[in-house]
Amino acid sequence: EVRLVQSGAEVKKPGESLRISCKASGYNFADYWIAWVRQMPGSGLEWLGVIYPGDSDTRYSPSFQGHVTISTDKSFNTAYLQWSSLKASDTAMYYCARQQQVEVGSVTHKAWFDPWGQGTLVSVSS
Amino acid sequence: DIVMTQSPDSLAVSLGGRATINCKSSQGVFFSSNNKYYIAWYQQKPGQPPKLLIYWASTRESGVPDRFSGGGSGTDFTLTISDLQAEDVAVYYCQQYYKTPQTFGQGTKVEIK
Repeated sequence: EVRLVQSGAEVKKPGESLRISCKASGYNFADYWIAWVRQMPGSGLEWLGVIYPGDSDTRYSPSFQGHVTISTDKSFNTAYLQWSSLKASDTAMYYCARQQQVEVGSVTHKAWFDPWGQGTLVSVSS
Repeated sequence: DIVMTQSPDSLAVSLGGRATINCKSSQGVFFSSNNKYYIAWYQQKPGQPPKLLIYWASTRESGVPDRFSGGGSGTDFTLTISDLQAEDVAVYYCQQYYKTPQTFGQGTKVEIK
C-alpha cells in the first residue's frame, strides 16, 4: 500500500524556523514527484511546489518561491518543507501528495495527486 | 498561471438527488498528443485530506462509486454526483495539471437539503 505519513502539529512564534516531514512507503520513493499543498483555515488548496527525489529537481509556485524550501532525503524516503523565518500568515494545514506521472511519447508529464498525507497543522502566533 | 473557477460556491441537494459542479479553466488544458484533458477532481471531507475522484476529466479512480462522473470539453468541465448520499457531504475541488503551477479551483461545498 502506498502511504505518505506526515509529522505532527507544530506551534511556533513569528521569526522561528521549522521543518516538517512527509515519509513515503510502499513504492520506489525516487521515482515519483512529491508535491506540497497549503490549506489556510477555512480556505481552499494552494500548490506550493514539487520535488523529484531521484535528482532533487524542484519547482516552486512564484507565490511561495523564496519563502519555503522543499527538499528530500532518499535514504529515509522522506520529503521536507521548511521555513527559515515563519510569519503568522503561514498558519495553515500543509499536505504532501505523490504526483502521478504519465508518458506521452518520449516526454513525461506530471499528473494528478494520489495519495495525500494526513496533513501537518502549523500554527504561528506570538 | 491557469485560473480555475468553480461554480457554485455551495449547493444543497436532497438525498438521492443530483449535484452538478462546474469548473472553468482560464486557458486550454487539452494535450493533443494523447487526446486528454488535464483535469482532476478531489473530494475533501471535514478533517480529512483531499481524495482523488476523477482524472483525465472523466476517468473514475478505482474504488470511487459510479454515481460520481466527470465530463466537459474545451475550458468547461463538470463533476456530477447522482443519487446523492449522506457520505457525499464534502468540499469538491477541480485541478489542472496541464501547466506548473498546478492550480485548484476555490472549492464547492455540497450539503444535504
